Amino acid sequence: DSGVTQTPKHLITATGQRVTLRCSPRSGDLSVYWYQQSLDQGLQFLIQYYNGEERAKGNILERFSAQQFPDLHSELNLSSLELGDSALYFCASSAGPHYEQYFGPGTRLTVT
Amino acid sequence: GIQVEQSPPDLILQEGANSTLRCNFSDSVNNLQWFHQNPWGQLINLFYIPSGTKQNGRLSATTVATERYSLLYISSSQTTDSGVYFCALGTNAGKSTFGDGTTLTVKP
Repeated sequence: DSGVTQTPKHLITATGQRVTLRCSPRSGDLSVYWYQQSLDQGLQFLIQYYNGEERAKGNILERFSAQQFPDLHSELNLSSLELGDSALYFCASSAGPHYEQYFGPGTRLTVT
Repeated sequence: GIQVEQSPPDLILQEGANSTLRCNFSDSVNNLQWFHQNPWGQLINLFYIPSGTKQNGRLSATTVATERYSLLYISSSQTTDSGVYFCALGTNAGKSTFGDGTTLTVKP
C-alpha cells in the first residue's frame, strides 16, 4: 500500500458525460500528479500540482481539468467523454517536485 | 520533450535466470525511477535513482546520468517478477515521461 488513495476504483459512463476522479496523497506530500494509461498510448503525464498550484502540464486535453485543494487532495474532471478516454487513470504523490513519486491503485474508466 | 527508450520490449526467462533491462534517455533529468506494474495494474516503486547504484535484494539499478542511461538488474528471477517494468524520468520543468516498458515473463 503506497498510502495514496483514489476513488472510485471503477467507473462506467456514457459518451458525452462528465466524471470526477478523486485522489488523496500520502500524508505530508505536497505534490500530486495525474497520469493516463491507455493500451495504445502507454503511461502519459497529464498534470502536476504543488501545494495547491499548477506546476507542470503534460498531454492534458482541454476537456480535462484538475485542481488541488487546500487539504491537498486533488480532483481530475473529465468532460464530454469520448470512447477513447477509456483508460486507467493514476494519481501519484511526492514530497515535492523532484522527489520519489508513489502511485495510487488507479481508477479504471470505461466510456460506452 | 525528453525521449525515453526502453529495451528489450519483451523478455521471456526461465525461473532462476538473470536479466538486464535498459533505459536510454535524451536529455538531462532531475529524477529517475524504476517501477514494476504487476498483472493487477499496480505500479510498485523499485528504485528512485537519478544517479549511482542501488541494490534491494535480488534487484539492483545503476544510472549513469552523464551517458543518459539506466540499467535494472534482476537476478534469480521468480514467476512473481512477471509484469511490465517502466523507467520514468522527471525534468527540471516538472514534467514526467515514462518509457514504453519492458514486458517480462518468467516461466516456472
